[in-house]
Parts: sequence; structure tokens; C-alpha cells
Amino acid sequence: DAGITQSPRHKVTETGTPVTLRCHQTENHRYMYWYRQDPGHGLRLIHYSYGVKDTDKGEVSDGYSVSRSKTEDFLLTLESATSSQTSVYFCAISAVGEKLFFGSGTQLSVL
Amino acid sequence: AQTVTQSQPEMSVQEAETVTLSCTYDTSENNYYLFWYKQPPSRQMILVIRQEAYKQQNATENRFSVNFQKAAKSFSLKISDSQLGDTAMYFCAFALTQGGSEKLVFGKGTKLTVNP
Repeated sequence: DAGITQSPRHKVTETGTPVTLRCHQTENHRYMYWYRQDPGHGLRLIHYSYGVKDTDKGEVSDGYSVSRSKTEDFLLTLESATSSQTSVYFCAISAVGEKLFFGSGTQLSVL
Repeated sequence: AQTVTQSQPEMSVQEAETVTLSCTYDTSENNYYLFWYKQPPSRQMILVIRQEAYKQQNATENRFSVNFQKAAKSFSLKISDSQLGDTAMYFCAFALTQGGSEKLVFGKGTKLTVNP
């Protein structure tokens, strides 16, 4: 398996609190992605990164921000969590022109 | 914008039989990639098969094969000799490669159950 770790695996939080999810890779891949998975929607791209400090928005970026200060870490932040952000969050990585490898996902519940 | 449609929310098949999952997509681009991902109850996303649009030959991976019809924008997955371990959600996905990255657009998935 590709060296990709998401933390935490599960999190329960309250509406209005900030939340940060972490994706860590040991593959030195250039590209990193954050997706969310919801029933009836498949996976949808939130943000992605094409290098250190280089990020861009995906399909469902509202309410989310990201940062990538090091090649190996890609952070997803919910500044003020809402119930609509209850979801499973997947990080993925890829090298140039290569397939994506996905992490194991983070189950986030916002109460 | 690209869209991916999986018209079968759920399917079931008997062990050892063959099943075909449907996928259609919409794009105005000529060069792109198509994928099938498997997601078992463990939640892990596993790449099953990848097809490059410029290749006419259908991709195969052991018991998994695709029927890629570019003009019809259709990309179905055939699973032969179904096994209990094939029980999973299956997602069809589309990507344009931009500068080497592949931002995937997923369908909503088909839940496949293999019955003993």
C-alpha cells in the first residue's frame, strides 16, 4: 500500500467548532487531494494541491480551506463546522501522470 | 463540466456468474481517462481498472474487463466468475490529466452483492 495516513480516523465535534484533518504521505508525491464521500453522491473533490504552497479549489470547496507547507502534509480545515459537513473525508496522492492512491478515510460527525 | 452517471444503484449476482455494471459520461474533450474503483466494507478505495480514451483496446485485469464505447460515451465493467469478495460499492470515475494530475469526477456508485 502507498504510504498515506489520515488522522484522525474518526471525529465527533459540535457545530461551530474548528476542525483540522491531516493527510500525511511518505511517497514524496507531488499531488495531493481531499475528497468527501456522501451517500448518493459518490466522492467529490474539495481541494487539491500540486506542490508546496500551491493549492486550488475543487467542486465543493465552500466552507473548507487547505494548507500544504511541506510535501508530505496536506491539511483540511473546517473553520466553523456545520452539520452538512458530516461526511467521510478521503485524502489521495499521486505522482505526475500516475494513478491516485487513497487513504483510509476520516469519518467526521458534526452534531 | 464533466459528469458521470451510474444508472444501477444496486445489483446482485450469484457466485461464479458474470455481471456487468453500467457507466455513462459526458464530456466535450477527446483525451481523458476512465476508471472503475471498488470500495469494500473496509472503506478502502481500490483501483480496479483504468482505460485511456485514446486506446481503442478494452482494458482487462484478470476477471475484470471493460467495454469502452467512446462514441456512445459508455464505459461498462464486466466481472467474470464473481466471488464473494467482489461484494462492494463500485464507482466509475472520469479524469482529464492536467499537468500530470488527475482530478477525478465520480459517479454515485453501484452497490454489488455477490450471493453464495
